[in-house]
Amino acid sequence: EAQVTQNPRYLITVTGKKLTVTCSQNMNHEYMSWYRQDPGLGLRQIYYSMNVEVTDKGDVPEGYKVSRKEKRNFPLILESPSPNQTSLYFCASSRKAPDRENSPLHFGNGTRLTVT
Amino acid sequence: SQQGEEDPQALSIQEGENATMNCSYKTSINNLQWYRQNSGRGLVHLILIRSNEREKHSGRLRVTLDTSKKSSSLLITASRAADTASYFCATASYGNNRLAFGKGNQVVVIP
Repeated sequence: EAQVTQNPRYLITVTGKKLTVTCSQNMNHEYMSWYRQDPGLGLRQIYYSMNVEVTDKGDVPEGYKVSRKEKRNFPLILESPSPNQTSLYFCASSRKAPDRENSPLHFGNGTRLTVT
Repeated sequence: SQQGEEDPQALSIQEGENATMNCSYKTSINNLQWYRQNSGRGLVHLILIRSNEREKHSGRLRVTLDTSKKSSSLLITASRAADTASYFCATASYGNNRLAFGKGNQVVVIP
């Protein structure tokens, strides 16, 4: 089944404790992206990747890191989480970048992160 | 930056009625997409309309696009309780490698 898989689904951690949220897609998509969703603010893009070893900042990259060493995986790393990073996070992928081809995004089921 | 803006923000209708949502945007686009989100789950793609298209249908969904007014509408006909969700529009612009999402439109269909 074609899908984007994120783990974990729920995560509670403390300020400053490094964490990684994994994301994997099995559709051979070139483009992958991370979003965070907060009430009243909609979805905001954190980072995106056009292909292997090509990543770029989105709208709210501060406090996050990503890597794209393989096509299928795009982990989100919080080196020193803070309470303002408490949010619902989504990973998404598409065949090509949104403006290069009319291909829609496929979303994971989300990771609800709480930082205390 | 976010550029899709949906209107109205929340809509409550009876089952069987039609639901209409509007989305406005600010810059030239390549395509506009609508997504549905059920209660904190991942977004699901509903329909994509290209900038050179004016109307598109998919089942009970009808999307229109007016590039002169920089606006789009999503119509759900004969709504069902299962249509209760948040609906987001998102735009893709030439030379911008990302989708810009609006803040979402909550629709509640009362059985």
